[in-house]
Amino acid sequence: RKEVEQDPGPFNVPEGATVAFNCTYSNSASQSFFWYRQDCRKEPKLLMSVYSSGNEDGRFTAQLNRASQYISLLIRDSKLSDSATYLCVVNNPGGYNKLIFGAGTRLAVHP
Amino acid sequence: NAGVTQTPKFQVLKTGQSMTLQCAQDMNHNSMYWYRQDPGMGLRLIYYSASEGTTDKGEVPNGYNVSRLNKREFSLRLESAAPSQTSVYFCASTLGQGSEQYFGPGTRLTVT
Repeated sequence: RKEVEQDPGPFNVPEGATVAFNCTYSNSASQSFFWYRQDCRKEPKLLMSVYSSGNEDGRFTAQLNRASQYISLLIRDSKLSDSATYLCVVNNPGGYNKLIFGAGTRLAVHP
Repeated sequence: NAGVTQTPKFQVLKTGQSMTLQCAQDMNHNSMYWYRQDPGMGLRLIYYSASEGTTDKGEVPNGYNVSRLNKREFSLRLESAAPSQTSVYFCASTLGQGSEQYFGPGTRLTVT
């Protein structure tokens, strides 16, 4: 089983749609969770951290379910500029400052 | 404040050639990392340096060596390049345990 699993997509949605991505992780001892965004041929950039109580940043909402070892990202009112690959990231509790990256979910927003 | 910088941006090598990828950060971060990213795959950790003076192997260290030259700089060396090392290489840094990582713009390496 992969340490961090994501649906690769692609998710093709029209502008204005709401879209949700899910991610599962295997190590129940993980404590830090993030969503990163990666544009084509560019470096990953932090989108948001994920907190136990859930958190929101504008149109983006992240949720964490520790019992099910599941993380989600909800994007409301999708924009063309949201088209990218979204990486689910979890810390490796056994490795100092190490993060484990999912392979990513690709989102394509069309007019 | 440039963040994380990498050189070169692009490189083409012939099999057996050697080269060093350079990485520097100006955020006073303690830990630095080298990853490779291949199409359809997640980022895979090659080597990391938890702090100045220490380096450790990651998931895919074979064929690579690293040097943590000082707190700012962390270089990755390919001693004898192979076609399987064709990839995009990213350097990253982080302040401390549980913190997010910041990435450089990447080096696109092709080995023929």
